[in-house]
Amino acid sequence: KQEVTQIPAALSVPEGENLVLNCSFTDSAIYNLQWFRQDPGKGLTSLLLIQSSQREQTSGRLNASLDKSSGRSTLYIAASQPGDSATYLCAVKGTGGFKTIFGAGTRLFVKA
Amino acid sequence: GAGVSQSPSNKVTEKGKDVELRCDPISGHTALYWYRQSLGQGLEFLIYFQGNSAPDKSGLPSDRFSAERTGGSVSTLTIQRTQQEDSAVYLCASSLLSGASGGSTDTQYFGPGTRLTVL
Repeated sequence: KQEVTQIPAALSVPEGENLVLNCSFTDSAIYNLQWFRQDPGKGLTSLLLIQSSQREQTSGRLNASLDKSSGRSTLYIAASQPGDSATYLCAVKGTGGFKTIFGAGTRLFVKA
Repeated sequence: GAGVSQSPSNKVTEKGKDVELRCDPISGHTALYWYRQSLGQGLEFLIYFQGNSAPDKSGLPSDRFSAERTGGSVSTLTIQRTQQEDSAVYLCASSLLSGASGGSTDTQYFGPGTRLTVL
C-alpha cells in the first residue's frame, strides 16, 4: 500500500530565502508525481508533474526533482515571496491502478 | 477556458438525508476524479472515471457512496443516508488523459470543492 509523507509539516521563512520541501513515498512503482499548492478555503493548483521516467521539472522559481529508486521528491522554491504562502501537497499515482495518493502537505509561511 | 466547476459550493443537510454533488470537468478531459478532504486531513481518493472504462471505485468508504458520469462529461457523487462523519470538502478533478505514459496530459485540474456539513 502506497504511503506518502511530507516533511516538514510546517515551515516559516523570511522573504527571499530559498527553501526545499520534501516528499517521500513507499512504493517506487509510480506513473508520476505531482506537486500542488492549496490556498486556504480554495481548491488545488497544479505546480509541476514529473513523469516516472524524468528526474526533474522546472517552472519559474520552482524546481521539482524525483528519485524513484529512493522514493523521494523535493520541491525547491527560489527567492521565496509572501505570495508563496500556502500548503504544498505532493501526490503520487501508482502503476497498479488510477488511485492518486496525497501527502498531508507542508504549510509554508513566507514573512515579508 | 473554463476550469472545473462544482455545485453546490456549500451544502448543509440533516443526518440521514441523501445528497448529490455535481462536477463539470474541463471540456475534452476524459479522466475525472473525486476526492474528500476532511478537516485537518489530507486528500482521500474516492473514485476515478476514464472514458468508457469501468470506474475505479476502490476509494469509496462505504456502499452509501456512489458516483456516475453521464455521457463522459458531468459527474454526480451521491451520498445516501448521510452521517456526521461525511462532513468534509468534496473535490473533483479532471485531466486530459490518463494512461501508462504518465505524461503531462495527466495533470489534474481541481474544482473549488463542495463543503458538505451534516448536522
